[in-house]
Amino acid sequence: AQTVTQSQPEMSVQEAETVTLSCTYDTSENNYYLFWYKQPPSRQMILVIRQEAYKQQNATENRFSVNFQKAAKSFSLKISDSQLGDTAMYFCAFRSNTGNQFYFGTGTSLTVIP
Amino acid sequence: DSGVTQTPKHLITATGQRVTLRCSPRSGDLSVYWYQQSLDQGLQFLIHYYNGEERAKGNILERFSAQQFPDLHSELNLSSLELGDSALYFCASSPSPGQNQPQHFGDGTRLSIL
Repeated sequence: AQTVTQSQPEMSVQEAETVTLSCTYDTSENNYYLFWYKQPPSRQMILVIRQEAYKQQNATENRFSVNFQKAAKSFSLKISDSQLGDTAMYFCAFRSNTGNQFYFGTGTSLTVIP
Repeated sequence: DSGVTQTPKHLITATGQRVTLRCSPRSGDLSVYWYQQSLDQGLQFLIHYYNGEERAKGNILERFSAQQFPDLHSELNLSSLELGDSALYFCASSPSPGQNQPQHFGDGTRLSIL
């Protein structure tokens, strides 16, 4: 079975600074998809960014970017120019090629300090 | 707005009771996934339906059941409720398991067992 590990339960960053959230996963598959979701205090689940395993280029969405290292099975999220609204729980997720199940990490609680 | 609708938003009931949570997926989405999120915990995958058929089961208790109807809406039935069932229950949808599409989440149903 696939597993997703987020080893940083809590992190903090100063406003306008950059922070990187770590995620590793375990799979024997070659084709799969990875996602980062954000859950603010409102508890909504919001898609932040996604990455296809067959693409070598790292995905970027405005201030959010990933560092995807397929061989190392690592998928970290970098948030640049952190804003107060980035304060949230961040979940890393793995989806197999069949898509029948998504696997989520336990989350990293990020606090942006003014 | 993700396009996924969950009702009710809040539900308060007593131990031993039975409740039904409802989910309407985004227009065009055939897959529906159910998750349970207990306080300060990650997402626990419960079950996945695609076009009316069960595709995958996760950590779903025997007291829980789900179905997806011809109009693609889904219901999660929780019976013989226990205090530990208090949680936020999310529904998510995606177009098809085989496509590169993330899940889009509803706002969740907050279930409180007294």
